[in-house]
Amino acid sequence: DIQMTQSPSAMSASVGDRVTITCRASQGISNYLAWFQQKPGKVPKRLIYAASSLQSGVPSRFTGRGSGTEFTLTISSLQPEDFATYYCLQHNSYPYTFGQGTKLEIK
Amino acid sequence: EVQLVESGGDLVKPGRSLRLSCTTSGFTFRDYAMSWFRQAPGKGPEWVGLIRSKGYIGTTEYAASVKGRFTISRDDSKSIVYLQMNSLRPEDTAVYYCSRDGEYYDNSGYPIFGFDHWGQGTLVTVTP
Repeated sequence: DIQMTQSPSAMSASVGDRVTITCRASQGISNYLAWFQQKPGKVPKRLIYAASSLQSGVPSRFTGRGSGTEFTLTISSLQPEDFATYYCLQHNSYPYTFGQGTKLEIK
Repeated sequence: EVQLVESGGDLVKPGRSLRLSCTTSGFTFRDYAMSWFRQAPGKGPEWVGLIRSKGYIGTTEYAASVKGRFTISRDDSKSIVYLQMNSLRPEDTAVYYCSRDGEYYDNSGYPIFGFDHWGQGTLVTVTP
């Protein structure tokens, strides 16, 4: 199985901050990576697909980059509604696997 | 508008069976692969399995944790995907989500660009 190592597992930040979350794959996955945002009690919401393509309707402050084994999700200027848990998902190889998640909290 | 609605979740005892349904609308269901995910309380999501479209012979893939116990099927005439769960275990307790996977496939048969729409989930609790 491909392991997705996501970091950090948690972070505190302030409104307006720029934050970056990283996912590293245990082997190359090309660009078969998606990023999701999940708020408590809610359904995961796709933000980014194909590593760097922005889901329609998602604010442009979200940017995905990377290919192969290293990927990042950057939020350029945090807004109050961005405080949530973020997951990466690889779908290059079965079983699909998620990162452990990054809980983004308000400082 | 694309919609996915899961149903069938329940409280069951270990060893029992349950069938979940995911009723969809708003898109050409037969053209898409469909995936099931689950999320145990306080944990991250986990992929359960998928079923390809009939154009890819409707083949299935499963996570090792459910292979041999769970079966995914689809009824394109009703736009429904099913998850048949047998020999349930306490560790299967989770909210189960269906998600629209890809409409297109790469050269290796992997659906691409999926997971843009999810259902609201249905809770399965397995307890003695």
